Amino acid sequence: DGGITQSPKYLFRKEGQNVTLSCEQNLNHDAMYWYRQDPGQGLRLIYYSQIVNDFQKGDIAEGYSVSREKKESFPLTVTSAQKNPTAFYLCASSTWTQEAFFGQGTRLTVV
Amino acid sequence: DQQVKQNSPSLSVQEGRISILNCDYTNSMFDYFLWYKKYPAEGPTFLISISSIKDKNEDGRFTVFLNKSAKHLSLHIVPSQPGDSAVYFCAASARAAGGTSYGKLTFGQGTILTVHP
Repeated sequence: DGGITQSPKYLFRKEGQNVTLSCEQNLNHDAMYWYRQDPGQGLRLIYYSQIVNDFQKGDIAEGYSVSREKKESFPLTVTSAQKNPTAFYLCASSTWTQEAFFGQGTRLTVV
Repeated sequence: DQQVKQNSPSLSVQEGRISILNCDYTNSMFDYFLWYKKYPAEGPTFLISISSIKDKNEDGRFTVFLNKSAKHLSLHIVPSQPGDSAVYFCAASARAAGGTSYGKLTFGQGTILTVHP
C-alpha cells in the first residue's frame, strides 16, 4: 500500500539535544512538507521541498533543518536552537496536481 | 498575522442535522481552498476542495461554498453522522502565485465538531 511513514510515533528529547524525525513516502510524489501542530492551533509550515536536493523555508523554519537527498525521504532535524520544540509534527507529500497526503505524525516531547 | 481563521473552536450538532463550519481568509492571493478532517494523534485527511473560480463544490454529504467578495468559505455536512466527529481544518493556497505544488498550505486553527446520536 502506498503512503507516508513517519517514525517514531513518540519521541522524547532532553533539552539541548538535536533529534531527527523520519519521513518516508512511496507515493512517487515530487513534493514533501513538514508541518507543526500545537494544541488549539492549526498546522504551520516548517520546511518544504518540491524536488530532490532543493528545499525552502516555511513560516517557522528557525531551529529546524532538513535534507532531501532522495525523492522518498525528507528527514527533519529539530536542533537545540528551537526554543519550544514540544509539538506534534506532520509530514506530507503531494504532486503538482493533487492535494497533500499526510503521515500519522510524530509527537515530540522535551523532558 | 492569521491569514486563515476559523472563529468557532467547537460545534455540536444532533445526528441527522446539518453541520456548518465556517472559515475566513484575508490574503487575496489565495485561489484554492481545502477542508481536512483530523482525529487526535493522527494526520489530517483530505475532505473536499474548491477553486476560486467556483462558488460551490459538492461531494456526497459534503458541500463547500466560497464567497470571494466576503473572503469566506463554509463546509456543510448533511446529514451529520456520529463518525463525522473530528477536528476540521480549513486551508488555503496561492497556486497562481507561481509554481507552487499543492501541499504548501496555510491552515486555520480548526473547529472541533461533535455529532451526538
